Amino acid sequence: RKEVEQDPGPFNVPEGATVAFNCTYSNSASQSFFWYRQDCRKEPKLLMSVYSSGNEDGRFTAQLNRASQYISLLIRDSKLSDSATYLCVVVWNEKLTFGTGTRLTIIP
Amino acid sequence: DAGVIQSPRHEVTEMGQEVTLRCKPISGHDYLFWYRQTMMRGLELLIYFNNNVPIDDSGMPEDRFSAKMPNASFSTLKIQPSEPRDSAVYFCASQKSRGGNSPLHFGNGTRLTVT
Repeated sequence: RKEVEQDPGPFNVPEGATVAFNCTYSNSASQSFFWYRQDCRKEPKLLMSVYSSGNEDGRFTAQLNRASQYISLLIRDSKLSDSATYLCVVVWNEKLTFGTGTRLTIIP
Repeated sequence: DAGVIQSPRHEVTEMGQEVTLRCKPISGHDYLFWYRQTMMRGLELLIYFNNNVPIDDSGMPEDRFSAKMPNASFSTLKIQPSEPRDSAVYFCASQKSRGGNSPLHFGNGTRLTVT
């Protein structure tokens, strides 16, 4: 089993819709979690951290479910500019492991 | 701050040639990472440095790959000899401090094609 797994997609979603995707991890001792965003042919950039209590940043909500070992990202009122690949990152013992990413395309 | 700077942006070379990728981290960042990204395998950590010292090189595929960090503002990743399966995007990233609360800052990457 991979350390970090994501549905590669692609997710094709109409503008204005809500979309959510998950990321599962295998190491129950993982300590911190993040979502990064990567635009086509660009470098990954930090989108947001994921806390046990969940956190929200505008239209984006990230949640952690330790019992089931997954993190999620919810995007509300999606915009064309949200089209990108979303990478989840799991940290254990200071080592960051990236998922392979979920590709999201917002359709006008 | 200019961010993490990588060069070249693109590199096309023939199998067997030596390839050198360069990286300048953000000033004041103690950690530097080299990643490789492919469609099949995603982002893979090759090696990382702390204060110019290599800490974990377990991700380096084989002896053909080597990395150095002679000072706090410069690192190289060398492939010698290169092979077609080395074709990928190579990212350098720096981090101010280790652990989860300090984000990774990536450079623009070097797109390597080995023919």
